[in-house]
Amino acid sequence: SQQGEEDPQALSIQEGENATMNCSYKTSINNLQWYRQNSGRGLVHLILIRSNEREKHSGRLRVTLDTSKKSSSLLITASRAADTASYFCATDGRGGADGLTFGKGTHLIIQP
Amino acid sequence: DAGVIQSPRHEVTEMGQEVTLRCKPISGHDYLFWYRQTMMRGLELLIYFNNNVPIDDSGMPEDRFSAKMPNASFSTLKIQPSEPRDSAVYFCASREGSSYNEQFFGPGTRLTVL
Repeated sequence: SQQGEEDPQALSIQEGENATMNCSYKTSINNLQWYRQNSGRGLVHLILIRSNEREKHSGRLRVTLDTSKKSSSLLITASRAADTASYFCATDGRGGADGLTFGKGTHLIIQP
Repeated sequence: DAGVIQSPRHEVTEMGQEVTLRCKPISGHDYLFWYRQTMMRGLELLIYFNNNVPIDDSGMPEDRFSAKMPNASFSTLKIQPSEPRDSAVYFCASREGSSYNEQFFGPGTRLTVL
């Protein structure tokens, strides 16, 4: 079953604008991760945030985590055409669950 | 390192045939995961191994699916017999150590069952 649900399902913005994607999940987690998938390619890890962290930055990426609301957001600042891809949140589970549960993703299109 | 290697990249077969997908994890990674991606169901975990031992196969859809990891550098996912609803992209991923480390994904095998 899908743990994470991304919102929106699709997002189209102009190059240079910021893009925000949200993710909600259902059960307790140890950490939450964001991945990017370019069309026809495998997934690339972007960032991991632990359950005891509230915010994390990596380059143009900013991730927040609110465990009380079971939600996370991914912000991409100063978007570029190369950021066009699908973005997925993925959660592990407490109690030693190692496999990731993915949401259905947000398809981001950056208009040049 | 070359990353996670999967073969073949594309496979087209007819219903009823046996299909074998292959994966070589990153050297030194002790966890290996098999996922399946479809439009309808998204990305799903099928099975994962730790130190070559299957840990959780609850995501394997049916007895037609089986996975093995005979050594630390090789795993197979087999479907026998294949059905059209098995058409999907199958990803292999590997990870070193704890769940606080990222998983590295292979490029996937796109399977089409006619």
